[in-house]
Amino acid sequence: DAGITQSPRHKVTETGTPVTLRCHQTENHRYMYWYRQDPGHGLRLIHYSYGVKDTDKGEVSDGYSVSRSKTEDFLLTLESATSSQTSVYFCAISERGVMTYEQYFGPGTRLTVT
Amino acid sequence: SQKIEQNSEALNIQEGKTATLTCNYTNYSPAYLQWYRQDPGRGPVFLLLIRENEKEKRKERLKVTFDTTLKQSLFHITASQPADSATYLCALLKTSYDKVIFGPGTSLSVIP
Repeated sequence: DAGITQSPRHKVTETGTPVTLRCHQTENHRYMYWYRQDPGHGLRLIHYSYGVKDTDKGEVSDGYSVSRSKTEDFLLTLESATSSQTSVYFCAISERGVMTYEQYFGPGTRLTVT
Repeated sequence: SQKIEQNSEALNIQEGKTATLTCNYTNYSPAYLQWYRQDPGRGPVFLLLIRENEKEKRKERLKVTFDTTLKQSLFHITASQPADSATYLCALLKTSYDKVIFGPGTSLSVIP
C-alpha cells in the first residue's frame, strides 16, 4: 500500500461521539486525500491537502474536518458522528508531477456509527 | 452536474476471453482518465492513465481507449484470468489541485 497506513482499521462508535481517523505516509508526497466509499456511490472526496496546513473541501465535506500539521500525517475528524457517516474511509496520496497523476491508497478504515 | 457511469451489472466472463468494461461521463471535459483495480477489503490500485489527446494506451494485457467525442472510455483485459476478478473503477481528473472524480465501479468475475 505504497507506505500508507491508516488507523484504526475498524471502529464502532455511538452517534454523537467525536471520532478521529489518522493517515500516515512515508513517501513524502505533497497531496493527501480523504475519501469515503459507499455502495452505489463509489469513492467520494471528503477533504484534501496540498501541503502542511493547506487543506480544502471535497464534494462531501459537511460534518467532517481535517488537519495536517506534518507532511506525513493527515487527520480526519467527525465532530459528532452520525449514522450516515457509517462507511469505509480511504486515505490517498499523490505527488503531482507533469507526467503522473495517480493516487496511492491506504488499506481503509471501516467505521460503524450505531 | 457531472456524472460518471460504468457497466451497471456485474460482468462474468470465461477465462481466456477478453473482458470489456465501459466508462461513460456527462457534463464534463476531463484532461485525463484513469483506471483503478480494487480487491475486496483493499484500497484501489492505479492501473493506467490516458490523456485526452491519446486514443489508446496499452500495458501488458490491458488496453484503454478514450473517445472524447463519445465521452467514453473502454477498458479491455485480454486473455483474462481468474486473478483478474476484482472491481474496476474509472476516474476523471480535473487539472487543478489534482482532484479526481471516481465512477461507481464494475465488478468483474473471470470464471475458470
